[in-house]
This record gives sequence, C-alpha cells and structure tokens, in this order.
Amino acid sequence: DTEVTQTPKHLVMGMTNKKSLKCEQHMGHRAMYWYKQKAKKPPELMFVYSYEKLSINESVPSRFSPECPNSSLLNLHLHALQPEDSALYLCASSLVTGPNYGYTFGSGTRLTVV
Amino acid sequence: SQKIEQNSEALNIQEGKTATLTCNYTNYSPAYLQWYRQDPGRGPVFLLLIRENEKEKRKERLKVTFDTTLKQSLFHITASQPADSATYLCAQVGEGYNTDKLIFGTGTRLQVFP
Repeated sequence: DTEVTQTPKHLVMGMTNKKSLKCEQHMGHRAMYWYKQKAKKPPELMFVYSYEKLSINESVPSRFSPECPNSSLLNLHLHALQPEDSALYLCASSLVTGPNYGYTFGSGTRLTVV
Repeated sequence: SQKIEQNSEALNIQEGKTATLTCNYTNYSPAYLQWYRQDPGRGPVFLLLIRENEKEKRKERLKVTFDTTLKQSLFHITASQPADSATYLCAQVGEGYNTDKLIFGTGTRLQVFP
C-alpha cells in the first residue's frame, strides 16, 4: 500500500458545527503532516507529527485540533470554523521527518464553511 | 525570513519542447530541494529530490539541477507532452532546527499545447 487516504473528500459545515477529517497510511511512515491550501496558492504547513507526537504547530488557531491516535492515523478536529477556513486540507506522510525524504500526499478534503 | 520563489506563475510551451522551471531561495541555503507535481484538486506528488552535492539528478524525462552559488534550482521536462500540464512546486525544509517542516514555493503552472 503506497497511498495516503483522506476522508471525507468533500465537507460542508456550518460555523457552529464540529467535524473531523481523517487521514490513514499503511506505509510504515512515522511522520505525518497537515497542510492547508487555498486556491492558486502553495500548501501551507499546519501541524507535524513525529512518532505520534506533535512536533510543530504553525501557530494554527485552536479551532483546529490535531490528533494522532496511532502511527497509521491522523485526525484533524474542527470546531467553530470561519468561512475563511474554507480550503483544501491535505494530509501527508514521510518515512521520518527530515529533508531527504519525499512526502506522500493524500488527495485532500475540500472543506467549505458556510 | 526563509523564502522560496518560483519565477514564473505560468509557462506555456509547445508539445515536444523542453520546459524549464526555476526555483530561487533566499537567506538560507538548503542541503536538499524537492520537486512536486500537483494536478487541480489533488494532492502534490513527489517527483525528485536533489542534494546540494549532486548538482544534477535525472528521472526519465525529468532533470533537476542545483546551483548553491546562484541559490537556484532548475527543473527540466524534455520532450514535453500535454499530459505534463500541471502545477510544479519546489520545496525545501526549514532552516536551522526546523528540518521537520517542508516549505513550498509559489508554484509554476505549466501548460503544454499540442
């Protein structure tokens, strides 16, 4: 298995809702990442998990809450989002963190906040 | 602050020609650079990684060069095909102790016309 699987593919949520994005990989990768991408912009890093521990939080608002239950799963819990949070949310993984490993990305979750 | 720029927002070329994309970085000289391809609505796909002591790396019709003096990487697609049309992103890891984070350039949208 050489894929990162993200669910759901599309999500529409109201500003008072609570929802979660899910990411799964079975490549034995020990580093996992959440990125946010707006239209015609590059992906922007949100969180980095290394060996199931949060190693980087890029000053992301607390309405985004990451969780890494085990080495294969990564969740992003969403609560009280704003319309400007609408974007493509990408999960990625790599063997470990560091500059000499390419990332494997999922296809993303297209999030619309109404 | 760390910055990575791709000179052209868009590049249009004719099928069969060689496409050359440019990635420039400032301040900090990375030991590694990565290149990704991204199709609309999909996650980036890892293509190539080049180390600073490699100067040039090839994979099928792709070639990447790394010039630490110019602080520049060039990405070439030879014998380009319409199927090569996509956005191409260069990326480097954070400087200093921030090697857990991969930062993307602004991207170049390549269009190959038949």
